[in-house]
Amino acid sequence: KQEVTQIPAALSVPEGENLVLNCSFTDSAIYNLQWFRQDPGKGLTSLLLIQSSQREQTSGRLNASLDKSSGRSTLYIAASQPGDSATYLCAVRWYGGSQGNLIFGKGTKLSVKP
Amino acid sequence: ETGVTQTPRHLVMGMTNKKSLKCEQHLGHNAMYWYKQSAKKPLELMFVYSLEERVENNSVPSRFSPECPNSSHLFLHLHTLQPEDSALYLCASSHDTGTADEQYFGPGTRLTVT
Repeated sequence: KQEVTQIPAALSVPEGENLVLNCSFTDSAIYNLQWFRQDPGKGLTSLLLIQSSQREQTSGRLNASLDKSSGRSTLYIAASQPGDSATYLCAVRWYGGSQGNLIFGKGTKLSVKP
Repeated sequence: ETGVTQTPRHLVMGMTNKKSLKCEQHLGHNAMYWYKQSAKKPLELMFVYSLEERVENNSVPSRFSPECPNSSHLFLHLHTLQPEDSALYLCASSHDTGTADEQYFGPGTRLTVT
């Protein structure tokens, strides 16, 4: 069964700290992997999308890496700010999946303390 | 408005009520999706529509009835719901249902069934 796991479920850090969020997935035959941000009670905002042929993607203070062979992705947030507080979701598309085949993890709830 | 919009943003209904959730996308996409996000569970894909045709129905109870009158609008009709149906319902759209097509999410409707 294709599953996505995110650890930890929650994380609290002081402002300014660099941090890493983890995502693991079963079955390395992925098409791409996407990181989303979700603010409380809100929809999802796409942060980074990594194709299976790529090793990493960067956007501002965010860097996402992909290691297909080990079934892992990390989202690195540099110099965290209170505005980064949100839930971060990892989602994977696999080859041969059903249409609309985004499989999500449960997310990591991040709290950045001023 | 741009992007994907959903109304209402919050809904409280009794188990005997009938209500509908509405989603509208202004992106010119051909595919639309309904997701359910329950507490402590990953996002679950409910329905997928492509060019107004339902192409995916992930074993969703019949008390949830989708309708897609055109490629810009998607409804989720609700009747005789259960308290465990309380969740955030998210709509998304994409250019098509292909693996490469990125999905764009609406802000969601927070549903509470009493």
